Amino acid sequence: AQSVTQLGSHVSVSEGALVLLRCNYSSSVPPYLFWYVQYPNQGLQLLLKYTSAATLVKGINGFEAEFKKSETSFHLTKPSAHMSDAAEYFCAVSLRDDKIIFGKGTRLHILP
Amino acid sequence: DGGITQSPKYLFRKEGQNVTLSCEQNLNHDAMYWYRQDPGQGLRLIYYSQIVNDFQKGDIAEGYSVSREKKESFPLTVTSAQKNPTAFYLCASMDSNLYEQYFGPGTRLTVT
Repeated sequence: AQSVTQLGSHVSVSEGALVLLRCNYSSSVPPYLFWYVQYPNQGLQLLLKYTSAATLVKGINGFEAEFKKSETSFHLTKPSAHMSDAAEYFCAVSLRDDKIIFGKGTRLHILP
Repeated sequence: DGGITQSPKYLFRKEGQNVTLSCEQNLNHDAMYWYRQDPGQGLRLIYYSQIVNDFQKGDIAEGYSVSREKKESFPLTVTSAQKNPTAFYLCASMDSNLYEQYFGPGTRLTVT
């Protein structure tokens, strides 16, 4: 069965610093991997998606993620944090069937 | 504009009352989903439907019921049997070609 583990329920970074949110997955077959963002009291918005076409995936708002099969990881990064990046981020995995499995989320805090 | 609408945004009910949360989509997606979100627990799947007039239980279906009479609509009823109904409820639909889920803005239900 597939699963997703997000390391750190809360991450704090200074404005302008590197953002790194960690995600490890477990899957018996090559998965699709996703990062979603959720602002307070809103739904989830797709940031980016890995579908095996390229290991480095670029998303919206300057985020990107790299698929590393050997490490079963799909970490999310952004070179320079902005105050508007403060939100909760969810990593998710799909086996290309009818369900997506979500991690428990990481809340990103941006320090001025 | 294509998307998913959920109404109302905030809902208050007394304990022992059933309440129905609305979810409508105009994305022409076959599959629709209901999730419950509690702080620190990520998204937990309540029910999902892959096609009209058919639906499956998710991980936490007890105390909930759904119907899928139209492709566009997937209402969720929170019954009095649900022991802890206060939560943020998210509806989603899936693009079956891309395996991407699209989310509504959510309904925050408070039961006192």
